Amino acid sequence: NFMLTQPHSVSESPGKTVTISCTRSSGSIASNYVQWYQQRPGSSPTTVIYEDNQRPSGVPDRFSGSIDSSSNSASLTISGLKTEDEADYYCQSYDFTNVIFGGGTKLTVL
Amino acid sequence: QVQLVQSGAEVKKPGSSVKVSCKTSGGTFSSYAFTWVRQAPGQGLEWMGGIIPLFGTANYAQNFQGRVTITTDESTSTAYMELTSLRSEDTAVYYCARDRAVTATGFDYWGQGTLVTVSS
Repeated sequence: NFMLTQPHSVSESPGKTVTISCTRSSGSIASNYVQWYQQRPGSSPTTVIYEDNQRPSGVPDRFSGSIDSSSNSASLTISGLKTEDEADYYCQSYDFTNVIFGGGTKLTVL
Repeated sequence: QVQLVQSGAEVKKPGSSVKVSCKTSGGTFSSYAFTWVRQAPGQGLEWMGGIIPLFGTANYAQNFQGRVTITTDESTSTAYMELTSLRSEDTAVYYCARDRAVTATGFDYWGQGTLVTVSS
C-alpha cells in the first residue's frame, strides 16, 4: 500500500487562505480519486471534497480541492477562513479495494 | 434523510470480543457498501474493512485480518463489526460509514461513533 502524507498542523488567520497538502508515496495521485474529510472535536468526519474537486451540497465554495501530478499530491484549499473551519482534515484515497487515509492535519484559525 | 445510528459505548476485558451495530434508515440498504473506520484517542482515522450487502462479501485491512468480521442483516438494514481478541490498543471510537453510490469515491454518511474501551 502507498501512504498519504499530510502536514501535522497548519495555522492561519481569519479571512486568509490556507492550503493543506496530501502527498502520495507511490503510484500516481491521479490513479484514484482523493476525498477530504473535516472532523471537529467530538464529532464524526464529514466530507468537504470528493472525487478530487467536487463539493457535496451544503459545503461552501470556500472549500476547493485539486491534484498536482508533478508533485504527486492533492490539496485542500480553504479561502476566507472562519473560526468554524478550525478542525482536523483528512485526505483519503484507494489502493485497489483498500481505503487509505492520510494522517490528518490540525487546522488552527487564530 | 439517511441516518446511520450505532450501538452504545462498550467496556471490554482484554481477550474478549465486541460487536458494534450500525442501523441505517433512508436509502436502499443493499445498494450501498458500508465501511468501518476506527480512531484511537488523539489519533487519526484507520480503515478496518468494508462490505457490500448485495454480495455479502467483505474486504478487510491487513492489520485486522483474522480478528475482524463485518456482516450485514438486510432485514433490519444493519451492518455489524465484530472485533475479537481485544487488547488495550483497540480502545478507540469505531465509526461506520456508507460508501458513496459511485465506487471508490469516499463516504457520504457516517454514524455517530461507538467508544470501545478495553481495560482490565
